[in-house]
Amino acid sequence: QKEVEQDPGPLSVPEGAIVSLNCTYSNSAFQYFMWYRQYSRKGPELLMYTYSSGNKEDGRFTAQVDKSSKYISLFIRDSQPSDSATYLCAMISFAGGTSYGKLTFGQGTILTVHP
Amino acid sequence: AAGVIQSPRHLIKEKRETATLKCYPIPRHDTVYWYQQGPGQDPQFLISFYEKMQSDKGSIPDRFSAQQFSDYHSELNMSSLELGDSALYFCASSPDPEGEQFFGPGTRLTVL
Repeated sequence: QKEVEQDPGPLSVPEGAIVSLNCTYSNSAFQYFMWYRQYSRKGPELLMYTYSSGNKEDGRFTAQVDKSSKYISLFIRDSQPSDSATYLCAMISFAGGTSYGKLTFGQGTILTVHP
Repeated sequence: AAGVIQSPRHLIKEKRETATLKCYPIPRHDTVYWYQQGPGQDPQFLISFYEKMQSDKGSIPDRFSAQQFSDYHSELNMSSLELGDSALYFCASSPDPEGEQFFGPGTRLTVL
C-alpha cells in the first residue's frame, strides 16, 4: 500500500462546477502538504502549500487539511476548461526530527472540464 | 519571475550509453531535488542537495550519480543506460528543505 492514496479518476465535470480532489495518507510524519497541477508533458506547477490543519484559500482554489483523519482535499470553484490537467497531491515528512524535504506524491487525478 | 531551467529538454540515447542532465535552480534557492516520472506514473524522488551537500537519497540506481556545484546548479549523471530509464526527469528547487518546491519543465529521456 502506498503512503499516499489519491483517487485516480478520471473526473469529468461541466464548466462552472465545483471540483473536489482528495488524498489520504498513512504516515503521521507528513507535516507539509502541497497540490500540484500538471499539464501533459509539462512540469508540475505548485498550486497550494499548507502545513496546518484547516483551510487555505487562494482565488478559486481552497486546500483543506485534516491531520487527525490524515486527509487532504483541494476544491476548485467555477472550474474552467483550462483547469483540465492532472492534479497531484504531495507531502513532506520529518524523519528523526530532521526535515529532508523529499516529496511523496499521490497517483494523480486526471480532471477534464468540458465547456 | 525566474523559473527552474533544465537542459536538455529532450535526449535520445542508446542502451549502455551515458547521459548528463543539468538543472539551474531559481536564484537564491539552495536546495535541489531530482525526480523521475515514468509514463502515467507520479514523480519518484531520486536525490536531493542542500547547500551543495547530498541531503537525501531515494530509489536512485547505483548507475546514477549527481552533484550540486558552487553556483548551486546540479547535474544528474546516468551511465549504462537501460530501456527502463526512459522517463521524464524533473528538477525542483526550494529556498530551504521545508519550503515550496518549484519544478522545472523536465528532460525527456528516451533510451533506444
